[in-house]
Amino acid sequence: QKEVEQDPGPLSVPEGAIVSLNCTYSNSAFQYFMWYRQYSRKGPELLMYTYSSGNKEDGRFTAQVDKSSKYISLFIRDSQPSDSATYLCAMRRAEDYKLSFGAGTTVTVRA
Amino acid sequence: DAGVIQSPRHEVTEMGQEVTLRCKPISGHDYLFWYRQTMMRGLELLIYFNNNVPIDDSGMPEDRFSAKMPNASFSTLKIQPSEPRDSAVYFCASSPGTFAGELFFGEGSRLTVL
Repeated sequence: QKEVEQDPGPLSVPEGAIVSLNCTYSNSAFQYFMWYRQYSRKGPELLMYTYSSGNKEDGRFTAQVDKSSKYISLFIRDSQPSDSATYLCAMRRAEDYKLSFGAGTTVTVRA
Repeated sequence: DAGVIQSPRHEVTEMGQEVTLRCKPISGHDYLFWYRQTMMRGLELLIYFNNNVPIDDSGMPEDRFSAKMPNASFSTLKIQPSEPRDSAVYFCASSPGTFAGELFFGEGSRLTVL
């Protein structure tokens, strides 16, 4: 079983819809949780990060971490065609900078 | 800043040939990572360095793979001999090692081994 599980989708939504993405993990030592966005044929880029449990909001993006359930989520409000990309969750322990990635969910926002 | 620079962007080679991938990290970043991405396995960490010293190479698949970081501005990932199952996109990433440990990725080197 992988340390980080993420449904690869694909997910297709109309413009303006809320996109909901999530990951589960098995390693209770993970403390830092991140979401990366990867456009086709590009490297991943960091969208948001959260330390430990809780919510974090940045514009149209909200990240949630529930450590008791080992479950993290990313919500994209008022989705735009430019949000079409693959979204990867990533997480790491406090002791090192090794990131473990989910498989990535491919999202298409239809105009 | 120019970001993380990788070369070559594309490489097509024949089985058995040596492949060398190159990376220039962002200046001032203390950490450098090599990842491999495939459809089947996603993003896998191969090795990472801190201040030019290899810290964890447990993800290197086998002895055919080697990585070096001779100085703070350059790293190589070498595959010798290459095999078709090595076909993947290889990403280099660097990090300043701050609180979040954000990784800055290059655009990747797409390797095809025939």
